[in-house]
Amino acid sequence: DAKTTQPPSMDCAEGRAANLPCNHSTISGNEYVYWYRQIHSQGPQYIIHGLKNNETNEMASLIITEDRKSSTLILPHATLRDTAVYYCIVRLDSGNTPLVFGKGTRLSVIA
Amino acid sequence: EPEVTQTPSHQVTQMGQEVILRCVPISNHLYFYWYRQILGQKVEFLVSFYNNEISEKSEIFDDQFSVERPDGSNFTLKIRSTKLEDSAMYFCASRIGLSNQPQHFGDGTRLSIL
Repeated sequence: DAKTTQPPSMDCAEGRAANLPCNHSTISGNEYVYWYRQIHSQGPQYIIHGLKNNETNEMASLIITEDRKSSTLILPHATLRDTAVYYCIVRLDSGNTPLVFGKGTRLSVIA
Repeated sequence: EPEVTQTPSHQVTQMGQEVILRCVPISNHLYFYWYRQILGQKVEFLVSFYNNEISEKSEIFDDQFSVERPDGSNFTLKIRSTKLEDSAMYFCASRIGLSNQPQHFGDGTRLSIL
């Protein structure tokens, strides 16, 4: 089972920041937090990942709390094309450990 | 930007027939995966593959399933005798060597069993 808890759905106005929360209170020291999204039935698209420091790339920012028990994915200026299901996944940094997907958060960006 | 490609995009097969789903992972990646997603359900892990052998497999990946990397560029998933419940999207993913690096997914093959 997934080790993360996410709200089932969220809305965001186009052009505003979308802040997607994730709880992972049982995360262990060598587990990374990964974010993926899935648009319609396309393949999951990698967004960003981190261990304990905040991370930023061209798509998003990842804010991880100091105790690592929760994180927030930030899409700084949401567009209609960001409408998707967003998955927060905790994965052990070891060997070939697979990703365990939960139900994610369905983000609807509204014009 | 390099990507994982999967063919065909849609496969329709009669129940009991064999089917082979094909994937071309990103060229310098070393780890390969198959996942599936039944309509309306979660993405589920099937199998991982490294150094020409299976690393891990889930309970779903029973004797009806097999994987192969026949020629150094393709990665295939074979279902020997398909069942109605095998109808799903099948996603291939690949990852470069370092263990914390992300898996990159293809756009999937929709398998419909009649």
